Amino acid sequence: DIQMTQSPSSVSASVGDRVTITCQASQGISSWLAWYQQKPGKAPKLLISAASSLQSGVPSRFSGSGSGTDFTLTISSLQPEDFATYYCQQANSFPLTFGGGTKVEIK
Amino acid sequence: QLQLLESGPGLVKPSETLSLTCTVSGGSISGSNYYWGWIRQPPGKGLEWIGSIYYSGNTYYNPSLKSRVTISVDTSKNQFSLKVKSVTAADTAVYYCATMNVQYCSSTNCYKDFDPWGQGTLVTVSS
Repeated sequence: DIQMTQSPSSVSASVGDRVTITCQASQGISSWLAWYQQKPGKAPKLLISAASSLQSGVPSRFSGSGSGTDFTLTISSLQPEDFATYYCQQANSFPLTFGGGTKVEIK
Repeated sequence: QLQLLESGPGLVKPSETLSLTCTVSGGSISGSNYYWGWIRQPPGKGLEWIGSIYYSGNTYYNPSLKSRVTISVDTSKNQFSLKVKSVTAADTAVYYCATMNVQYCSSTNCYKDFDPWGQGTLVTVSS
């Protein structure tokens, strides 16, 4: 199985801050990585496909980068609605696996 | 636009079988680029892929659950279903159904992510 390691597990930030979340795969997955946002009591929402392709309707302050084993999700200027938990998912091979999540909290 | 909705009992006794159904609306479950998946999330914890199915019946399961899980599809009802047998408290979780988008195929693999998701349903295993 491909293990996905996210860091940090939580981050405290203020509105307007730049936030960076990293995700590392235990083996190379090219650019086959997805990022999700989950708010309390809600289902995850797909933000980014194929490491860097922003889904329709997702604000441009979100961006993704990386390939191989190391990936990054960046929020350029944190907004109140961005406080949530973020998960990466390797989209390369079965069993599909998720990172442990990064909770973005209000500072 | 596709919409998914989970249904089934919210409480299951230990050693019994958990059964959930996902109803798809806004499109056909037989769509060519769509697989259908189940993902679960124990309270306060992360996401675990359970398995996926194509409308033709091809299934893919997480090896960690494979011996206890069955996923099936009913194209006449535009539904797919999940059964987990011999449940324990460790199976207590919010269960999500989702559309698994399959794209960007190489010679050996295809890219797979999940969108959209159902709202999720909490299943508690307790006597």
